[in-house]
Amino acid sequence: GENVEQHPSTLSVQEGDSAVIKCTYSDSASNYFPWYKQELGKRPQLIIDIRSNVGEKKDQRIAVTLNKTAKHFSLHITETQPEDSAVYFCAAKSLYNFNKFYFGSGTKLNVKP
Amino acid sequence: DTEVTQTPKHLVMGMTNKKSLKCEQHMGHRAMYWYKQKAKKPPELMFVYSYEKLSINESVPSRFSPECPNSSLLNLHLHALQPEDSALYLCASGGPGDFTDTQYFGPGTRLTVL
Repeated sequence: GENVEQHPSTLSVQEGDSAVIKCTYSDSASNYFPWYKQELGKRPQLIIDIRSNVGEKKDQRIAVTLNKTAKHFSLHITETQPEDSAVYFCAAKSLYNFNKFYFGSGTKLNVKP
Repeated sequence: DTEVTQTPKHLVMGMTNKKSLKCEQHMGHRAMYWYKQKAKKPPELMFVYSYEKLSINESVPSRFSPECPNSSLLNLHLHALQPEDSALYLCASGGPGDFTDTQYFGPGTRLTVL
């Protein structure tokens, strides 16, 4: 089955700096890659996603890039703010097992004011 | 409406109790999921229903029993749980298929087993 690895496990940045979180996947049939933000005690919230026919997608301060050849995708947050502090999870879904999402282990992002 | 609702928000139960968790969505999604999440860990898939039929059971112990009465509702029946079952239980819904695969989570039920 699919295996998703996520790095780093923790990330501290100064307010206003950029943050990058990286994930790799193993199944070349994976074709959908969402990113979730989970604040303490809250639900995972979809913040951005990308499909395999696209290399990059941007939504204001958040962007995701996908390299299908290398099987990795990354979340980029620019001009970080304290409210960006949370745990971020990447995930992948296969074209052939389309009901199952495989999650990365999570990155705890701390934005220092 | 992109909301998935869950009740109750919190549940404390003894090891001999029987309780149920409920989940509801009105987005027309035909796939519904139960996840278990421990602190600082990613959601761990338990069950998937597709078109009201159980399509994935991730070898979950029989003390957890899912039910999908209709396309909008999902229940998780709990019986004879163990303290290690204490966790956040998340429901999610999404489209089964390649083009409507965005998954939305409910707020979760924080379960404590004494």
